[in-house]
Amino acid sequence: QKEVEQNSGPLSVPEGAIASLNCTYSDRGSQSFFWYRQYSGKSPELIMFIYSNGDKEDGRFTAQLNKASQYVSLLIRDSQPSDSATYLCAVNSPQGAQKLVFGQGTRLTINP
Amino acid sequence: DTEVTQTPKHLVMGMTNKKSLKCEQHMGHRAMYWYKQKAKKPPELMFVYSYEKLSINESVPSRFSPECPNSSLLNLHLHALQPEDSALYLCASSQEAPGPTNSPLHFGNGTRLTVT
Repeated sequence: QKEVEQNSGPLSVPEGAIASLNCTYSDRGSQSFFWYRQYSGKSPELIMFIYSNGDKEDGRFTAQLNKASQYVSLLIRDSQPSDSATYLCAVNSPQGAQKLVFGQGTRLTINP
Repeated sequence: DTEVTQTPKHLVMGMTNKKSLKCEQHMGHRAMYWYKQKAKKPPELMFVYSYEKLSINESVPSRFSPECPNSSLLNLHLHALQPEDSALYLCASSQEAPGPTNSPLHFGNGTRLTVT
């Protein structure tokens, strides 16, 4: 089992709809969870981070964390074509090197 | 705009060349990182410096040599690279050093490296 798993997509969502991106992780001790957006040829850009169970909202973005089920999700409301990108989930590995582990990324396309 | 600055943006080098990638941050962050990213893959950790000391080396070949001259600067020295080392090299920083929890990584714009 991979440490951090994401559906690679592509995920196609019509403009104005809600895009839902999911990520599962294997280490129950993980405590830090991040979502990055990466446009083609560019570097990753931090969108959201969440440390506690529940929802965290920032503008059109909501991160949801469920530690019991070991998943973290990102909702994008009122999706825009400019949201088309690859979204990377990153989870900390609290043991050993204590580094961030990235998922493979989900490619999201918003269709006008 | 990114607060982590990387130079150069692009670099083409031969297999016998020696070159260096540079990274600078002025956010007072205590940890700095080098990542390598190939197309359609996630970033792959190479090195971590915490409080200017090398804390993580992910078994990177010795042809990559990191250096942290001070808390704001991070270099990656390159020597005798192979064509398969061509990739986007990303520098990042975080407010706190890695631990049981992690503070967010802030990435620079990257250096696109091509080895011929």
